[in-house]
Amino acid sequence: EIVMTQSPATLSVSPGERVTLSCRASQSISINLAWYQQKPGRAPRLLIYGASSRVTGIPARFSGSGSGTDFTLTISSLQSEDFAVYYCQQHNTWPRYSFGQGTKLEIK
Amino acid sequence: QVRLVQSGAEVKKPGASVKVSCKASGYTFTNYHIHWVRQTPRQGLEWMGMINPSGGTTDYAQKFQGRVTMTRDTSTSTVYMELSSLRSDDTAMFYCAVARGIRLDYWGQGTLVTVSS
Repeated sequence: EIVMTQSPATLSVSPGERVTLSCRASQSISINLAWYQQKPGRAPRLLIYGASSRVTGIPARFSGSGSGTDFTLTISSLQSEDFAVYYCQQHNTWPRYSFGQGTKLEIK
Repeated sequence: QVRLVQSGAEVKKPGASVKVSCKASGYTFTNYHIHWVRQTPRQGLEWMGMINPSGGTTDYAQKFQGRVTMTRDTSTSTVYMELSSLRSDDTAMFYCAVARGIRLDYWGQGTLVTVSS
């Protein structure tokens, strides 16, 4: 099983700041990585797939990069609605998936 | 539009089974796989398995093998996830999600299952 590790667990940031979240796979997954956003009481929402492809309707301030084992999600200028938990998920072993433990973005 | 509506919250005793439903609409039911994901505060998001509504074939995560069964009813565009031999640490939110290709891009609202004596 491919283990996904996200860092940090929690990130305190101010609105308007640029933030980078990290995700590492225990073995190479090429570019087969997705990012999700989850707000309290809601289901996860797909933001990015294929490491860098943004889902239709997701703001351009969200961008993904990386390949192999190391990936990042960057939010260029944090908006109030972006404070949430972010999960990475590998889809290299489709249809079997695995998720990271999540990074919580909180207001500083 | 694609919509997944899950059944309501459940309370079960240890050792019992729970069956959660997920009714799909807004697309051709047999075109896309449906996956189940468990969420707990301790373990986070865990992929449980998937079902192909077209033929009913399934693939389960090793962790849940032997305890989970996923089925579908094409006449009502509904999939079911049954988890048996429940333990207190199975208390969780369970989600179904449609996979269009590799993307889990539509999710149900979640079903809370509480296991308590």
